[in-house]
Amino acid sequence: SAVISQKPSRDICQRGTSLTIQCQVDSQVTMMFWYRQQPGQSLTLIATANQGSEATYESGFVIDKFPISRPNLTFSTLTVSNMSPEDSSIYLCSVEGRATTEAFFGQGTRLTVV
Amino acid sequence: GEDVEQSLFLSVREGDSSVINCTYTDSSSTYLYWYKQEPGAGLQLLTYIFSNMDMKQDQRLTVLLNKKDKHLSLRIADTQTGDSAIYFCAETGNTPLVFGKGTRLSVIA
Repeated sequence: SAVISQKPSRDICQRGTSLTIQCQVDSQVTMMFWYRQQPGQSLTLIATANQGSEATYESGFVIDKFPISRPNLTFSTLTVSNMSPEDSSIYLCSVEGRATTEAFFGQGTRLTVV
Repeated sequence: GEDVEQSLFLSVREGDSSVINCTYTDSSSTYLYWYKQEPGAGLQLLTYIFSNMDMKQDQRLTVLLNKKDKHLSLRIADTQTGDSAIYFCAETGNTPLVFGKGTRLSVIA
């Protein structure tokens, strides 16, 4: 299994500011995923981050709003830019296990924008 | 896009069996998963099933898959208070994981 450390675990931010969420994995992984869980909603995939290439964004998500870095095989960051109250969500990073049948998740970052 | 549906709440008495149901739309699903989210914790993979299987049993957990109806269920035998959590159904086919909204299981002592 993979152990994922995600931080911060929670934050309260002013609208118009940006927050960077970090995700550290204890082993090298090719693909890392960033999800968002809005209140009462499904988990939604934001983007897939592969090391050495630009992230691939899902429909409805753009790089200017959610820039992602993937500098090496164990680390990634997601930035939520120019935040508004609608960005209040739990943000989760995830990696695939050795078998693609598994996925492992960080603890999540609970973001509240006021 | 693909969709996964679950009922939002389930309440059972301690010692009874819990059955959490899920339907999905992706006809190309290859793997279907059940995740558990306890308060303050990340998602934990409980079990998964390949799309060419009908049933999988793992200790107190039984997963049933009806591929024709695109229906997945999770049965928890002898439900305990520690089973109280949100349970997410998820599937993957041509895309990364697609999740349901989660079913909040409450266990009454």
